[in-house]
Amino acid sequence: NAGVTQTPKFQVLKTGQSMTLQCAQDMNHEYMSWYRQDPGMGLRLIHYSVGAGITDQGEVPNGYNVSRSTTEDFPLRLLSAAPSQTSVYFCASSYSLRNYGYTFGSGTRLTVV
Amino acid sequence: GQQLNQSPQSMFIQEGEDVSMNCTSSSIFNTWLWYKQDPGEGPVLLIALYKAGELTSNGRLTAQFGITRKDSFLNISASIPSDVGIYFCAGSRTGNQFYFGTGTSLTVIP
Repeated sequence: NAGVTQTPKFQVLKTGQSMTLQCAQDMNHEYMSWYRQDPGMGLRLIHYSVGAGITDQGEVPNGYNVSRSTTEDFPLRLLSAAPSQTSVYFCASSYSLRNYGYTFGSGTRLTVV
Repeated sequence: GQQLNQSPQSMFIQEGEDVSMNCTSSSIFNTWLWYKQDPGEGPVLLIALYKAGELTSNGRLTAQFGITRKDSFLNISASIPSDVGIYFCAGSRTGNQFYFGTGTSLTVIP
């Protein structure tokens, strides 16, 4: 049981490049989310999904796209990277948010130069 | 977005001391969560609270859901070196979106 797996762990992008952050969970969780963590700002919700085929925006969705074609995977796409997207990105999943809260992955540290 | 204020921002305490931290919101929440984050890792859930006034313990940790539903508190008794980390509160109205506080950084001095 691997839990929530994020890849890559580290990434450096040039401004304007695109990339996909991968997130996979093997716990059959319905709920999945992407957060970004910046110094002094806690974690902010980017996008979330309550099940396969269903996604919605969080607090800071601009510049990011998501899709949920399977229960297991929830990739986050950066369309045209900007320095303001330099952050640590966390994927999280939950079987039942209200009862269990989120299980977080170990994060992807992204630097945009 | 929703603002959750955590205090204190950082704490430096001696091993064996008790710790108290709190989290306040401008809105009413129906669920409060407390997480701990170690360096280079994702947050790990410590305690979940579901109704106003609820008091829940997890070992040396005790958390309370404030009566006003706009605040929550976390206490750690008899701190030990492995308590070092950043503690986050998180709250939700709907259960689909959780808003996180800015964190309390705890340093335990042996």
